[in-house]
Amino acid sequence: SQQGEEDPQALSIQEGENATMNCSYKTSINNLQWYRQNSGRGLVHLILIRSNEREKHSGRLRVTLDTSKKSSSLLITASRAADTASYFCALASGAGSYQLTFGKGTKLSVIP
Amino acid sequence: EPEVTQTPSHQVTQMGQEVILRCVPISNHLYFYWYRQILGQKVEFLVSFYNNEISEKSEIFDDQFSVERPDGSNFTLKIRSTKLEDSAMYFCASRDRTGTEKLFFGSGTQLSVL
Repeated sequence: SQQGEEDPQALSIQEGENATMNCSYKTSINNLQWYRQNSGRGLVHLILIRSNEREKHSGRLRVTLDTSKKSSSLLITASRAADTASYFCALASGAGSYQLTFGKGTKLSVIP
Repeated sequence: EPEVTQTPSHQVTQMGQEVILRCVPISNHLYFYWYRQILGQKVEFLVSFYNNEISEKSEIFDDQFSVERPDGSNFTLKIRSTKLEDSAMYFCASRDRTGTEKLFFGSGTQLSVL
C-alpha cells in the first residue's frame, strides 16, 4: 500500500544548523504534505506541495518534490530548539480518495 | 485560531468494554477523519466521514468500530468491544470543502486497554 518512508529515522543537530528530512514513496500522488508532531500532541500541518510543483517555501521551511524519483525533502533552515519534534510526510493519492497516508516520521532533536 | 477538540485526553478501559471517543471538529468543516497511532509507530488512517456517511475506511476499521455525527457539532468513534491491541493514541481530524487539502488534527485521546 502507499506509504511514505522518512529518512533518517532520527536526526540530532545543533541550534542554528539546517535540518534535512527525506520522504520516499512508491505510487503516484496528488499532493504530499508535511506535518509536525510535538511529543504526545496532535499533528500540525506545515506545508503542502502538489504533484506538478517542484519546490515550495514557507518561512524557514523549504520543500522539494521530485516525482520522477518519487521523493520529497523538507529543509528547516537555522533550526531552533523549539523545532524539536517528529516530522511526517503524508501522501494524498487523489483519485477520489481523501485519506492521507503517513510515514513513520523523522524525530528531530535540536540541541541548544 | 479554530481548533479540533477531543475528549477525553486519556481513557483507560478493561478489555471487552465499549468506549466512545469524542471530537468536536472545526465548525465549518465538512470532512471528518479518525486516525490512530500506536506508540512509536506511524499514524494510521481509520475512517473518513462526509455528508453523514463513511466515505472510506481502512482494514483496521472492522465491525467493532463505528462512527457517528449525532448532532451538528460532535463526531464520535465507538469501539464496541475493546482489545489490548486497540491501545493507541486516537486522533480526530477535519478539513473544509475548499481547495485546501490540509487536515486539522486534535490533540488526541490516549486509549489504554487493560
